[in-house]
Amino acid sequence: DGGITQSPKYLFRKEGQNVTLSCEQNLNHDAMYWYRQDPGQGLRLIYYSQIVNDFQKGDIAEGYSVSREKKESFPLTVTSAQKNPTAFYLCASTRGDTNTGELFFGEGSRLTVL
Amino acid sequence: RKEVEQDPGPFNVPEGATVAFNCTYSNSASQSFFWYRQDCRKEPKLLMSVYSSGNEDGRFTAQLNRASQYISLLIRDSKLSDSATYLCVVNPSTYNFNKFYFGSGTKLNVKP
Repeated sequence: DGGITQSPKYLFRKEGQNVTLSCEQNLNHDAMYWYRQDPGQGLRLIYYSQIVNDFQKGDIAEGYSVSREKKESFPLTVTSAQKNPTAFYLCASTRGDTNTGELFFGEGSRLTVL
Repeated sequence: RKEVEQDPGPFNVPEGATVAFNCTYSNSASQSFFWYRQDCRKEPKLLMSVYSSGNEDGRFTAQLNRASQYISLLIRDSKLSDSATYLCVVNPSTYNFNKFYFGSGTKLNVKP
């Protein structure tokens, strides 16, 4: 079945450590996204990529980095520069050629900084 | 001002009730509108798109009011399984198909 796979599902890290969240899709979608969700808040866009080897900052990109070397993969690194990294991280994808709104999400990665 | 605003609720309703949520958006040029459903600690899933003429899918009806810049979701004959958080999503541009703005969600609790 086609879909988006995020890993790990749960992650604990110590302050000062970088951590990389994996996102892989087999939907043949061009556009991929990373969102962050905090309790009581909507999803906020961290980075998005419309095509391989290209990506743009979202609204809260500081302290994060991404790469898009393959169409299927869009990993997110949460660096030690991110002040409040504890959150629920969601990866999503769309076809990218129309604004149909069908964002397909992975199951999310829940990061806790100890 | 936030791009998309929703009443966080919770809306506590009995089974069988009709409930409606509104969502306001700030960009009058917004082009596309959607409702997503998110269960507790899960990923959001598309419930329905919102078209200018309004649209219905079973017990769910979505409406768009461009003059007042809001969209609505009506749920008839509520089921226990409708308990979830409903997210309003807006795509503000025809030039960037890939920018979506999410409301913070409206929580619905359907009670027996």
